[in-house]
Amino acid sequence: GEEVAQTPKHLVRGEGQKAKLYCAPIKGHSYVFWYQQVLKNEFKFLISFQNENVFDETGMPKERFSAKCLPNSPCSLEIQATKLEDSAVYFCASSPYQSYEQYFGPGTRLTVT
Amino acid sequence: RKEVEQDPGPFNVPEGATVAFNCTYSNSASQSFFWYRQDCRKEPKLLMSVYSSGNEDGRFTAQLNRASQYISLLIRDSKLSDSATYLCVVREYTGKLIFGQGTTLQVKP
Repeated sequence: GEEVAQTPKHLVRGEGQKAKLYCAPIKGHSYVFWYQQVLKNEFKFLISFQNENVFDETGMPKERFSAKCLPNSPCSLEIQATKLEDSAVYFCASSPYQSYEQYFGPGTRLTVT
Repeated sequence: RKEVEQDPGPFNVPEGATVAFNCTYSNSASQSFFWYRQDCRKEPKLLMSVYSSGNEDGRFTAQLNRASQYISLLIRDSKLSDSATYLCVVREYTGKLIFGQGTTLQVKP
């Protein structure tokens, strides 16, 4: 597609439940980036992929967070055993090259209660 | 210390005013520099790239000073539609973006 698609738009989970977010990059884009935006506009880089390979995972929390980009499937970000502080908007972005403009999806708002 | 620092504002200005935002970054190896705009926690959208030579896009002028690791954005003749959060963004060599905390601009009639 011509836009980055993210599903769902909103996700509500109780503490301890699993959350799974999806991202379909723009067709032909090799790079996918995940960012987390908590309150006060604090964006945090989580992880990036080059096709199905992890490219940079320096921002991923060591526990509970995992991500995949499999061929012919949307990329996914999964949080096991969610905590209150995981409440945020999770944005996915795609890019045709490593150092090119990143196009952002509309985000998934995760609320952990 | 944050990697990218901005004054969060808010900046409240009348229509037609000129307003300037500043930003500093800590990693001298940063590759590229941008200003993004974000409306009401929707997705950030690229406003403009920033170069050492300075660049202008209509009412918007951006400037980069690599020596002092300082980035600026000037908005002339502010419009109501300019009300948004402006994000100073730095790209690392891996491609990941580092965001400042954003500066909120409110343009009043």
